[in-house]
Amino acid sequence: AQSVTQPDARVTVSEGASLQLRCKYSYSGTPYLFWYVQYPRQGLQLLLKYYSGDPVVQGVNGFEAEFIKSNSSFHLRKASVHWSDSAVYFCAVSANYGNEKITFGAGTKLTIKP
Amino acid sequence: NAGVIQTPRHKVTGKGQEATLWCEPISGHSAVFWYRQTIVQGLEFLTYFRNQAPIDDSGMPKERFSAQMPNQSHSTLKIQSTQPQDSAVYLCASSLGSTGQLYFGEGSKLTVL
Repeated sequence: AQSVTQPDARVTVSEGASLQLRCKYSYSGTPYLFWYVQYPRQGLQLLLKYYSGDPVVQGVNGFEAEFIKSNSSFHLRKASVHWSDSAVYFCAVSANYGNEKITFGAGTKLTIKP
Repeated sequence: NAGVIQTPRHKVTGKGQEATLWCEPISGHSAVFWYRQTIVQGLEFLTYFRNQAPIDDSGMPKERFSAQMPNQSHSTLKIQSTQPQDSAVYLCASSLGSTGQLYFGEGSKLTVL
């Protein structure tokens, strides 16, 4: 079975500061990894995804994530946050073949201070 | 491209009544997923279809929940004898299949009084 742990339920960062949201996954094989974002009163949107190759993947709006297999981690980073980045961020994992079910973490609510 | 369409956006039912939620996936997408979102449980996988066939319903409460996909243009999630603990936002998503990327609808918020 696959699972995702996001240890930080809430993170507050000042505008212009750097950001890291933590994610650890559990899956016996090679996973597909995702970060989704949910803005207030909107549906979830894909931020970035990792399938294979370069472990650092770039996403929209300056976000990136690094797949570290030895640590089973897929942390999300941004060099300089903007007030519009305030949202809930979900890390997710799926198998890379067969069952396409995607399992989500509990989410991290990001608040940007002015 | 209209995206994934879910109806109704809001539904209020009395305890014991039936609720049916509808989802229209993006045209051409071969897989449809249902999730339930609550503050306490977060995003819970319920079930998914590929090419209209049920593939994995491991997250479905067996007794009162059922899902169908009678054609490629819509899927339904039916909850019989609704209970207050069924109150949640039910999210539908579709994908092209093996890409793994889900496109979510805005959800149907179910409130059971």
